Amino acid sequence: DAKTTQPNSMESNEEEPVHLPCNHSTISGTDYIHWYRQLPSQGPEYVIHGLTSNVNNRMASLAIAEDRKSSTLILHRATLRDAAVYYCILRRFGNEKLTFGTGTRLTIIP
Amino acid sequence: DGGITQSPKYLFRKEGQNVTLSCEQNLNHDAMYWYRQDPGQGLRLIYYSQIVNDFQKGDIAEGYSVSREKKESFPLTVTSAQKNPTAFYLCASSTETQGAAREAFFGQGTRLTVV
Repeated sequence: DAKTTQPNSMESNEEEPVHLPCNHSTISGTDYIHWYRQLPSQGPEYVIHGLTSNVNNRMASLAIAEDRKSSTLILHRATLRDAAVYYCILRRFGNEKLTFGTGTRLTIIP
Repeated sequence: DGGITQSPKYLFRKEGQNVTLSCEQNLNHDAMYWYRQDPGQGLRLIYYSQIVNDFQKGDIAEGYSVSREKKESFPLTVTSAQKNPTAFYLCASSTETQGAAREAFFGQGTRLTVV
């Protein structure tokens, strides 16, 4: 399975944009890039996913590099409720195995 | 409302006892998953099932067992063979159809403490 690499932790000021990076240099053509986040003592929740093109939804934006070896989750205006662990994972078409790494712990500074 | 329900939220057991964690979903999803999470760590895959009466081992299946007799249910048994069972257990489900392009839904977890 292709692996992802994320920084262990990041900090950002409240009401400023946050860019969370993810490297996936061994990604294959059928791997979708997914992002989930986990609040303390809760199950992860879906944030966004994409294949090749950049994606936007009400929660965030996903910017995917042209070679697909990296991606960036963008929170446009961070709030205290965005403090969580963010996981970048790859899901391969035809393979239902869903594997998580250690994620990035995002701290929002008031 | 549709979703995944894990019960109970907290569970205490004596060492050496088997314990079964419940996971039920009404999302009509084919694929279901069990994860273990230790403090400050990421999620590790225990077992997953893509269809009724079929399941595969994940990365840390030793000491655990599962069944998938119904589409809606995927119970996890933590056996006495699991050396360090105290952890936070999470269940998830996802549609099989184009699953890689679909989101997974998670339950709220069961915190198991073995004393």
